[in-house]
Amino acid sequence: GIQVEQSPPDLILQEGANSTLRCNFSDSVNNLQWFHQNPWGQLINLFYIPSGTKQNGRLSATTVATERYSLLYISSSQTTDSGVYFCAVMGGANSKLTFGKGITLSVRP
Amino acid sequence: NAGVTQTPKFQVLKTGQSMTLQCAQDMNHEYMSWYRQDPGMGLRLIHYSVGAGITDQGEVPNGYNVSRSTTEDFPLRLLSAAPSQTSVYFCASSLTSGGALDTQYFGPGTRLTVL
Repeated sequence: GIQVEQSPPDLILQEGANSTLRCNFSDSVNNLQWFHQNPWGQLINLFYIPSGTKQNGRLSATTVATERYSLLYISSSQTTDSGVYFCAVMGGANSKLTFGKGITLSVRP
Repeated sequence: NAGVTQTPKFQVLKTGQSMTLQCAQDMNHEYMSWYRQDPGMGLRLIHYSVGAGITDQGEVPNGYNVSRSTTEDFPLRLLSAAPSQTSVYFCASSLTSGGALDTQYFGPGTRLTVL
């Protein structure tokens, strides 16, 4: 199956800093999503982005499908951005969404 | 819309007991799935369903059964609980699988401990 690798595994930022989170995948995909898991465990979908670029406020994401990676950008980080960020992909004819192991982000005030 | 709901929120079982984790969605989504989340492992797919009456295995299906008799409900059954099944379980749904409108919506999770 598809392998998903996220980097870096952990990230500590000062409030106001910018960051880039990376997701590499091993095969072509027809579905790629970024999620944020807050400190209370709730998983929230940030982007559905199998290709191209999207922006939502301080967050944006870019997927370069031909090179098999996606980037999540967080600008002017806030303490509420803390949590775990997951990339998940689906490829081929199956309907299985495969998650990376996540990136733990801590934003310090 | 209530979105995706899961019950119970917490559960403690003894080894060998059986139980059913409930999942329901009111968005008329075709695709539903169950994941387990363990420390350092991310989320791993247990079972999924692309529509009523259709289920398939994910990455870690052993020890779990599912059925999908209605579009709204997708219960997960633990047949004989083992300590290795201690985990947080998430149910998710999406309008379709693999299509353009494929955002996954997650329930709040069930924290299960098997003693």
